[in-house]
Amino acid sequence: DGGITQSPKYLFRKEGQNVTLSCEQNLNHDAMYWYRQDPGQGLRLIYYSQIVNDFQKGDIAEGYSVSREKKESFPLTVTSAQKNPTAFYLCASRSGQAARGEKLFFGSGTQLSVL
Amino acid sequence: AQSVAQPEDQVNVAEGNPLTVKCTYSVSGNPYLFWYVQYPNRGLQFLLKYITGDNLVKGSYGFEAEFNKSQTSFHLKKPSALVSDSALYFCAVRGNTGGFKTIFGAGTRLFVKA
Repeated sequence: DGGITQSPKYLFRKEGQNVTLSCEQNLNHDAMYWYRQDPGQGLRLIYYSQIVNDFQKGDIAEGYSVSREKKESFPLTVTSAQKNPTAFYLCASRSGQAARGEKLFFGSGTQLSVL
Repeated sequence: AQSVAQPEDQVNVAEGNPLTVKCTYSVSGNPYLFWYVQYPNRGLQFLLKYITGDNLVKGSYGFEAEFNKSQTSFHLKKPSALVSDSALYFCAVRGNTGGFKTIFGAGTRLFVKA
């Protein structure tokens, strides 16, 4: 069953703690993305990667870090520098080439809350 | 810079009536336009896209969207709404510059009343 798996579904962070959100895909997609969703603000791009071992900052990268060591995996770390981390985090991937207007495939999301 | 505007936070329609969810965009060059739907506590699901060609695009679940270049709009439509269409709808745009980022609107909540 192909798709994108995000874990955990719910995550709680203590003050000063770093937490890592997992995103795994078995779609053989080259590009992967992390978005943050806040009520009334839509989705905002945190980081994206178009190929293994390469990634770029999105619009709200401060306080976040990523790695792309494997094609299948794109974990997001929310660091203690992110002062307002409570949000719904969505991972996505894309097949083909962006120039051909390929759609994004999304995981089911991780809700991160601060204790 | 790319941007997407969805001017309505919520759209209310009666079941069986036509629905329209509005979207306008700003992008350099030719746009790639998308509509996605989100059900509670879930990821987004693709509905339809416009790349080039016919201005009227048909998608999943009976939805369609009309691309209007002069008005820079890409409104989502359905001739007859169902209660099960109630969800959060996102318009998105991707330009052909800036690393091919996809930018999303703030979302419009559609409520279909039986």
